[in-house]
Amino acid sequence: AQTVTQSQPEMSVQEAETVTLSCTYDTSESDYYLFWYKQPPSRQMILVIRQEAYKQQNATENRFSVNFQKAAKSFSLKISDSQLGDAAMYFCAYRNYGGSQGNLIFGKGTKLSVKP
Amino acid sequence: ETGVTQTPRHLVMGMTNKKSLKCEQHLGHNAMYWYKQSAKKPLELMFVYNFKEQTENNSVPSRFSPECPNSSHLFLHLHTLQPEDSALYLCASTTGTGDVQYNEQFFGPGTRLTVL
Repeated sequence: AQTVTQSQPEMSVQEAETVTLSCTYDTSESDYYLFWYKQPPSRQMILVIRQEAYKQQNATENRFSVNFQKAAKSFSLKISDSQLGDAAMYFCAYRNYGGSQGNLIFGKGTKLSVKP
Repeated sequence: ETGVTQTPRHLVMGMTNKKSLKCEQHLGHNAMYWYKQSAKKPLELMFVYNFKEQTENNSVPSRFSPECPNSSHLFLHLHTLQPEDSALYLCASTTGTGDVQYNEQFFGPGTRLTVL
């Protein structure tokens, strides 16, 4: 079975600085998808960025980018120019390609604090 | 209203009570999900419905009973729950066509359930 591990329960970053959140996963599949979701306090979870495993190029969405290392099964999230609104729980998630839909497998999350 | 809404936002119930959680999506999606989010644990997928048909039951105890009368509404009926069932219950939806594996899931704000 696939698993997702986020080894940093909490992280802190100074406003305007850069922070990297770690995520590793375990799978025997070659095709899959990876996601980072953000859950602000008392607010809805939203998708931050996603990556298809067959794409070598790292995904980028404005200040958010990933470092996808397929061989190492690593999928870290880099947040540049951190803003106060980036404070949230961040969840890394994995999904197989094909098969039954909707089976997102989540990590335990990393709580990110942003200091002014 | 837009997006995914959930009611009630907070619920306290005794172990002998029967209650229902409601989820409604206004996005024209065809797939809907129930997740359980417990403290310090990864999000757990409970049920998946696609075009009103249940496509996934992730070994959930029978004291949780889902119902999907149409593609816009999803219910979770609760009866004789245990204190360990206390958690945040999240509903999500996505389009049920195309590359559903890759499609973004849109989450509701959740129902905070406390079982006494």
